[in-house]
Amino acid sequence: QVQLVDSGGGVVQPGRSLRLSCAASGFTFSDYTMHWVRQAPGKGLEWVTLISNDGTRKYYADSVQGRFTISRDNSKNTLYLQMNTLRAEDTAVYYCARQGGEVAGPCDYWGQGTLVTVSS
Amino acid sequence: DIQMTQSPSSPSASVGDRVTITCRANLNIANYLNWYQQKPGKAPKLLIFAASTLQTGVPSRFSGVGSGTDFTLTISSLQPEDFATYYCQQSLSAPFTFGPGTKVDIK
Repeated sequence: QVQLVDSGGGVVQPGRSLRLSCAASGFTFSDYTMHWVRQAPGKGLEWVTLISNDGTRKYYADSVQGRFTISRDNSKNTLYLQMNTLRAEDTAVYYCARQGGEVAGPCDYWGQGTLVTVSS
Repeated sequence: DIQMTQSPSSPSASVGDRVTITCRANLNIANYLNWYQQKPGKAPKLLIFAASTLQTGVPSRFSGVGSGTDFTLTISSLQPEDFATYYCQQSLSAPFTFGPGTKVDIK
């Protein structure tokens, strides 16, 4: 069955970096576009970034553009989110999600989320 | 960027009630509209995609309609497990914005 396992969260000081990972299994990872979505404590969902199945196309929310980088290793079935110059407002649970096979499809499977806390 | 709004913000309802949640986009998004359910401490769950297509395994009491800028999610007979927060999301173009969410509370 499809499984996405998020990891790498933790407490980090403002201005520092952190890398999140999402290990995928149960499907052909290299066939699917992948997303990161975050949720600040007590707030709604915020779309962060996506990467196409072959890694050639990437899009970012304005709030993270220039600071966050999405990447993937299809040989390891793993998605990454490199987060640099972290700010207090980046504190959130980060979820990876698989985009359904359709063009412009929904996020049909989600990881369990990993909590990132930016605090001094 | 495409902006998404939802209403009502927090309806109170009873088991067995019919609940309707509205989502509006500020631009024409055709039918590129998805609905998710989220319970506290859990990841979102896809309910409906392409405005009206029920995800596999989702009960038939959930339905979605709409096209263009106005969309609706309906729960025909609210069950205890349906008390949750519901989000719409457009998937026409990046950034794939979510609505602010609608929390369905127990009356």
